[in-house]
Amino acid sequence: DAKTTQPNSMESNEEEPVHLPCNHSTISGTDYIHWYRQLPSQGPEYVIHGLTSNVNNRMASLAIAEDRKSSTLILHRATLRDAAVYYCILRDYDTDKLIFGTGTRLQVFP
Amino acid sequence: EAQVTQNPRYLITVTGKKLTVTCSQNMNHEYMSWYRQDPGLGLRQIYYSMNVEVTDKGDVPEGYKVSRKEKRNFPLILESPSPNQTSLYFCASSLNRVETEAFFGQGTRLTVV
Repeated sequence: DAKTTQPNSMESNEEEPVHLPCNHSTISGTDYIHWYRQLPSQGPEYVIHGLTSNVNNRMASLAIAEDRKSSTLILHRATLRDAAVYYCILRDYDTDKLIFGTGTRLQVFP
Repeated sequence: EAQVTQNPRYLITVTGKKLTVTCSQNMNHEYMSWYRQDPGLGLRQIYYSMNVEVTDKGDVPEGYKVSRKEKRNFPLILESPSPNQTSLYFCASSLNRVETEAFFGQGTRLTVV
């Protein structure tokens, strides 16, 4: 299974942009890059996903390196409600499995 | 509202007493799976199902059983729970395509004493 590597924790101030990095050097050509977040006492929540091109949605943007060995989740203006653990995940093409790493704990300060 | 519902949310039981955690989804998803979450180990997949009557082992299947008799339900069965199965459990569902999002339940916190 291809794995991802993320920093254990990051900090941001409210209203500032946040860039959460992820390395996935063993990604295969058919693995999709997914990001989920987990707020305290809740189940993981979908944020965004992509294959090769950069993606935008109402929650965030996903920037994918040209060689697909890394990606960055961008929160354009962090709010206190964005404080969570963010997981960068590769979804396995053959089994549809979401392979979770340990994630990045994001703290947002007022 | 699209949702994955797990029951119960909290459960304390004794070693060896069979229990079932239910999971139901209302989105007609083919794919369903169970994860357990433990401090320092993240979320690990227990079992998954790609459709009715099709189940397969995930990374940590020992001590667990599942069944998929209907598309909407995917119960997790612990025939003889042990203290090392004390954990936070999540059920998830999605369409059978890697480019789609998965929906997770709110979790079941199980304590086995």
